[in-house]
Amino acid sequence: DADVTQTPRNRITKTGKRIMLECSQTKGHDRMYWYRQDPGLGLRLIYYSFDVKDINKGEISDGYSVSRQAQAKFSLSLESAIPNQTALYFCATSVNRAVEQFFGPGTRLTVL
Amino acid sequence: QKEVEQNSGPLSVPEGAIASLNCTYSDRGSQSFFWYRQYSGKSPELIMFIYSNGDKEDGRFTAQLNKASQYVSLLIRDSQPSDSATYLCAVRVGDMRFGAGTRLTVKP
Repeated sequence: DADVTQTPRNRITKTGKRIMLECSQTKGHDRMYWYRQDPGLGLRLIYYSFDVKDINKGEISDGYSVSRQAQAKFSLSLESAIPNQTALYFCATSVNRAVEQFFGPGTRLTVL
Repeated sequence: QKEVEQNSGPLSVPEGAIASLNCTYSDRGSQSFFWYRQYSGKSPELIMFIYSNGDKEDGRFTAQLNKASQYVSLLIRDSQPSDSATYLCAVRVGDMRFGAGTRLTVKP
């Protein structure tokens, strides 16, 4: 089955460390997204990419960076992790922006 | 004001009842509207989408959109315990914007 995968699924790290979260998809979708989910705040968009050469900031991009290595791969980096970046992170893909997004299983990140 | 607002719940209904979930949005330029279901510890999955005013039915689910009043709702008929989850309303305003979700519990 065409799918969206995320690695790692869980990560505990310390303040100041650099962390990379990876997303891969076999759906053949051009558009990829990174969200974080916090209790009571819902899903908030961090970055999105419409193709390999197109990267856009979302609602809450400060403290994050991304890399679109290929159509199928989109990585999220925290250059210097801080405790308020503790959250559940989701990668998503879509064919175009008008239709549904397909979500990966999520990465639970804890920054101590 | 949040762009997409939902009652956080929890909303509790007995098995077999109708569950009604509501969502309001602030941007009148919003073009498409989605309801996602998210089980605890899992990723969101699409239940319904609606683009035009009125009702759209799919099995036990009905989405209702009223652009003049800027609200979208989801009705779940004959609610089952397996419907217990958090329901996320999403609105496309350029990007997709999500509400914080309403937690639904269906009691046997």
